[in-house]
Amino acid sequence: KAGVTQTPRYLIKTRGQQVTLSCSPISGHRSVSWYQQTPGQGLQFLFEYFSETQRNKGNFPGRFSGRQFSNSRSEMNVSTLELGDSALYLCASSLDRVSNSPLHFGNGTRLTVT
Amino acid sequence: AQSVTQLDSQVPVFEEAPVELRCNYSSSVSVYLFWYVQYPNQGLQLLLKYLSGSTLVKGINGFEAEFNKSQTSFHLRKPSVHISDTAEYFCAVRRGGSQGNLIFGKGTKLSVKP
Repeated sequence: KAGVTQTPRYLIKTRGQQVTLSCSPISGHRSVSWYQQTPGQGLQFLFEYFSETQRNKGNFPGRFSGRQFSNSRSEMNVSTLELGDSALYLCASSLDRVSNSPLHFGNGTRLTVT
Repeated sequence: AQSVTQLDSQVPVFEEAPVELRCNYSSSVSVYLFWYVQYPNQGLQLLLKYLSGSTLVKGINGFEAEFNKSQTSFHLRKPSVHISDTAEYFCAVRRGGSQGNLIFGKGTKLSVKP
């Protein structure tokens, strides 16, 4: 079974631009979560989607948004990019929203904002 | 709210020596606990999880962890490490029975030297 697939692996953008990251969960997984990883802040939760609806949201500004499609694939968008948005963005999927379901992570998209 | 503290940011150890990576959590309710490993330029991979039952949990790659409710700890151990174990290790917690997000510690970088 294929794992979580994130595209692209690397992105370089300029301040003020916007970016869209894509995530394909493991087949059959219906919950998708996004995390931002930086050396200073570690792993911070962005949001979680299930059945095309945002179920949980972390403490990030409205410039960060996401969506989930009917096939469970998810995208996240960051508008008006800032230098501080440079990070590794990780997508994780799980079978459902039961709290003992472990997350399965993709290899991430490394975003560099210049 | 739950939180996770990984007491050591870096742990250097020689090959074939034992290692313990410490993790403490704070929560007034029951929790599920996880350890993940991240190799360079990769996402997070699940090592093991504690959901209920036996407090000693065995995972992949020879790792194990012990859940200690009275000390609110979930330390990760391996009796003999290999060079290939060099990676960053993350402890994570989620409140039992909830649909909240997984909360991660800041990570511990394990460096195995020959």
